[in-house]
Formats: sequence, C-alpha cells, structure tokens
Amino acid sequence: DIVMTQSPDSLAVSLGERATINCKSSQSVLHSPDNKHHLAWYQQKPGQPPKLLIYWASTRQSGVPDRFSGSGSGTDFTLTINSLRAEDVAVYYCQQHYGTPPWTFGHGTQVEIK
Amino acid sequence: QVQLQQSGPGLLKPSQTLSLTCAISGDSVSSNTATWNWIRQSPSRGLEWLGRTNYRSRWYSDYAPSVKSRITISPDTSKNQFSLQLNSVSPEDTAVYYCARRFCRGIMCLDVFDLWGQGTLVTVSS
Repeated sequence: DIVMTQSPDSLAVSLGERATINCKSSQSVLHSPDNKHHLAWYQQKPGQPPKLLIYWASTRQSGVPDRFSGSGSGTDFTLTINSLRAEDVAVYYCQQHYGTPPWTFGHGTQVEIK
Repeated sequence: QVQLQQSGPGLLKPSQTLSLTCAISGDSVSSNTATWNWIRQSPSRGLEWLGRTNYRSRWYSDYAPSVKSRITISPDTSKNQFSLQLNSVSPEDTAVYYCARRFCRGIMCLDVFDLWGQGTLVTVSS
C-alpha cells in the first residue's frame, strides 16, 4: 500500500495569513497515461464527512474558493490556504488514488487560528 | 440533488457482524460510471478505505487487504442502495463508517470522493 505522510500534525495561523500543509507519498503518484498526479485534498469540519477540495494535485473542485491551492509533483505535495478565514478551521487530509486500490489517506493536519 | 443516507446499528459486541446500508437518491447504484465505497474513520487508524462495488456489465467488488477476509459490499438494485457487512468485529473496528461515491465529471471519473453519507458511529464493546 502507498503510505501518505502529512506534516505538520497541527498548525496555528493568524487570520489573513497563509497556511501550508505538506503531504508525502511513499511512491510516485504520477499516472503516466494522463500525466497527472493522482493526489487529492479534503477538508473536514467537526461532525461532518470530508469535503473534496482538490484533485489531480492542483485542480480545485467546483465551488472551492481560490484561496485554496494545491501544488507539488512526484512524491511531495502541498496544500496552501491563502488569506486564512475563520471558516477554514478544520482538519485537512491528502489521499492518493494512483493505480489500483487500496486508496490511502494521510493522518490529517489540524488548522487553527492563532 | 444526489444524497446518500446511511442506516444501521451503532453498538455491537465482539464477534458480531456489522451491517450498514447506504440508500442512494438522485443516482443509481447500477450506474455505469459510479463506484460505491465504504470508508471508516477512527483516531487510531485515521481514514481507511474499506472497499467498493460497481456495475460494469456485471457487478464487481474490491476490498482493502486489511479487511478482505471479513468484508462484503453488495448492491441492492430493488432498493437502490448498497450495504457493508463486516464479520467478527472487535473493538479495533470501532469507528465512524461512511458510504461515499467516487467523483465523476462528464465521462472523466477519479477514485476520489465527492459525495458522502452522514456517517455512522459504530462502537464495538462487550
């Protein structure tokens, strides 16, 4: 199975500032047939299921604000939240969907307001 | 609007069988593009994909190796729903269980999850 490692476990950011979350996969998730990285990001708020934010490492899901952006390649990926807002307080997860199952998730990064 | 509605018991004793159902509205369990998944979440194991079922001229199911010997995911076309059965549960199976649909945009589909059920907390305790 591909192991997904996120860092940090938690971070506190001032309102209006930038939050940066890292995710590392144990092997490349670059899918040669479509030349895309099969890496997704989710946001989860208390009592709710995860919400899909980004897929293909950098493509925002419809309706996701453009302050959320994804980047990276190979095995190293980043979710950036620009101009942090109070409603962005949540746990963020990465997930790989490369090749065949099982699909695996990182253990999450808690974003809080400083 | 597509929705997934979960149902099933939330308290089990060790060695019992976990059974959950996910009712689909606004989509079809027999869709040729959708896949229907079960995912669980616990403090110790995080988010864990358990398995999926889908229809591509016939029914297919895939399971995570960690539960493969104990799990069955099956469709019920008459009720437009799918179910999870996990045998011989132990306290380690205590988690919030989610059903989820994979994301499709037109003919492009990815094994990420854009539609989730509300979640069911299942506690295994003697």
